[in-house]
Amino acid sequence: AQKITQTQPGMFVQEKEAVTLDCTYDTSDPSYGLFWYKQPSSGEMIFLIYQGSYDQQNATEGRYSLNFQKARKSANLVISASQLGDSAMYFCAMREGPGFQKLVFGTGTRLLVSP
Amino acid sequence: EAQVTQNPRYLITVTGKKLTVTCSQNMNHEYMSWYRQDPGLGLRQIYYSMNVEVTDKGDVPEGYKVSRKEKRNFPLILESPSPNQTSLYFCASSLSTGPRNTQYFGPGTRLTVL
Repeated sequence: AQKITQTQPGMFVQEKEAVTLDCTYDTSDPSYGLFWYKQPSSGEMIFLIYQGSYDQQNATEGRYSLNFQKARKSANLVISASQLGDSAMYFCAMREGPGFQKLVFGTGTRLLVSP
Repeated sequence: EAQVTQNPRYLITVTGKKLTVTCSQNMNHEYMSWYRQDPGLGLRQIYYSMNVEVTDKGDVPEGYKVSRKEKRNFPLILESPSPNQTSLYFCASSLSTGPRNTQYFGPGTRLTVL
């Protein structure tokens, strides 16, 4: 079974609008971390935001926020006021036990922001 | 500037010719890891290292070797590259393991094996 599922291969949004990128995860470990990364066309992986399984509040970082619904095992990324520079691939990832040795990635969502 | 560096950034080689991709971090991180990225598959872990002289296999270790003789360096070695190792490779590091430890990625190495 997939550990991280991103069901949207591609998303379109107009500049200045908000967009939600979906991510569901599967783990039986009570302690885990969820991460979102952005990969622009240049290829690098840029860390955006983190949510811990025990965090009481949804994470926010500037225009990025994470809609964390633990019971539903979802960790959707919300980008407010989209900009042209937000066009990129977005990956959801999880770090779980035992050992937390790796990040498990979803297959990504390609976001295209139009003027 | 805190960063993870990889060299080379681009490499075209031929089947069977040994190569090494270097990875270095200047953040005194204990944990380092290699991933490969292939279309439709996301990123998959090749090897990781919890500290100096401590390495272990990830999900796709076949055809790769690593070493961790110094804390800052974690080279990826392909002893006899094959075309199915054509991929985008990322090195990553984090302060430690644990769910809260963010992994920071290098810029990537695009490898083509002919």
